[in-house]
Amino acid sequence: AQSVTQLDSQVPVFEEAPVELRCNYSSSVSVYLFWYVQYPNQGLQLLLKYLSGSTLVKGINGFEAEFNKSQTSFHLRKPSVHISDTAEYFCAVRSVGSGGFKTIFGAGTRLFVKA
Amino acid sequence: NAGVTQTPKFRVLKTGQSMTLLCAQDMNHEYMYWYRQDPGMGLRLIHYSVGEGTTAKGEVPDGYNVSRLKKQNFLLGLESAAPSQTSVYFCASTDAGDPDTQYFGPGTRLTVL
Repeated sequence: AQSVTQLDSQVPVFEEAPVELRCNYSSSVSVYLFWYVQYPNQGLQLLLKYLSGSTLVKGINGFEAEFNKSQTSFHLRKPSVHISDTAEYFCAVRSVGSGGFKTIFGAGTRLFVKA
Repeated sequence: NAGVTQTPKFRVLKTGQSMTLLCAQDMNHEYMYWYRQDPGMGLRLIHYSVGEGTTAKGEVPDGYNVSRLKKQNFLLGLESAAPSQTSVYFCASTDAGDPDTQYFGPGTRLTVL
């Protein structure tokens, strides 16, 4: 079975500062990894995903994440955040070969960007 | 192309009442899912469907039923609502050829008194 831990429930940051949202996972098999973003009063939207290949994955809105197999982490980063990045971010995992219905979501990290 | 839509957006029920949440997608996706989102717990899968006429239980199916009579619609029913079912419910769909990109609806906020 897989599990996902998002290490911070809330991350306040000033506009134009860099940010890192941390995600660790647990699995006995190979996994696919995802980051979703949820803007206020909206559904989730896929930011980026790691399936295979390069461990540095670039997504939409200037976000990127790095898969670190030895540390079982998939941290999300952005070098300079905007007010519009204020949202909740979810890390998710599923084992290779399983169906999409096996995706496990973390509890979420609320990013609050201050002017 | 509306994507994934959910009806209603808000609902308040009394304990013991029943209701049905409707999810519709116009992307011809094979797979559809119902999740609930609770504070500090992320999303948990209630039921899912891999095609018209098929449904299966997810992580937290108790107290819910589903039906997929048409490919584009996925209904979630609560036969006898309980306060523990107060939550935000999200529907999602994926294409069979790209199961890793889930498209989510805007959610339904349900309060059970």
